[in-house]
Amino acid sequence: GAVVSQHPSRVICKSGTSVKIECRSLDFQATTMFWYRQFPKQSLMLMATSNEGSKATYEQGVEKDKFLINHASLTLSTLTVTSAHPEDSSFYICSAREFGRGAGNTIYFGEGSWLTVV
Amino acid sequence: AQTVTQSQPEMSVQEAETVTLSCTYDTSESDYYLFWYKQPPSRQMILVIRQEAYKQQNATENRFSVNFQKAAKSFSLKISDSQLGDAAMYFCAYRPAQKLVFGQGTRLTINP
Repeated sequence: GAVVSQHPSRVICKSGTSVKIECRSLDFQATTMFWYRQFPKQSLMLMATSNEGSKATYEQGVEKDKFLINHASLTLSTLTVTSAHPEDSSFYICSAREFGRGAGNTIYFGEGSWLTVV
Repeated sequence: AQTVTQSQPEMSVQEAETVTLSCTYDTSESDYYLFWYKQPPSRQMILVIRQEAYKQQNATENRFSVNFQKAAKSFSLKISDSQLGDAAMYFCAYRPAQKLVFGQGTRLTINP
């Protein structure tokens, strides 16, 4: 089946620095990718929708200048947490929509990335 | 607003027994998809089953089946012959177009 790879799986960064998380669709083209944040024991919260070649669409309450999303190719989207602070520590998950193939636009998820800001 | 509600924060079942997880949703759309995802301790989201709203027949995937009641906006998941590997968080999700809207999740425990 289709695979979405997320990297890194775990990252620790110092407060005030920026960190980038990559999301790749390995065997299909993903015109749309989604970024979620998941707090402990909670559900997935959609942060933004990333469309290849255009600006991301952010959900209400998500700071677009803090969470920079770039979808430069049909197989790669990146999330950059800028000037990270401890409250940004969380589990971040990406997903990609498989277009065509009669798959009914199935959405596949990456493995997730744990971000710890110290 | 489109919302998904899972009213059971936690459920438990004896191994080999059957358990049903509840999910209701609110929408004014007529065409959409519904999903159940499983999230084990590894945190990887795994698709369990999907249902197209235009299909009246309930979806089935091996031991997993759904009871889709469109008029009632209800979408429950039945797990038959529960196995220890079924222990996980289960999320119901609704998708009218692109975005997935998730419920709060139900933590399922399997008792040996």
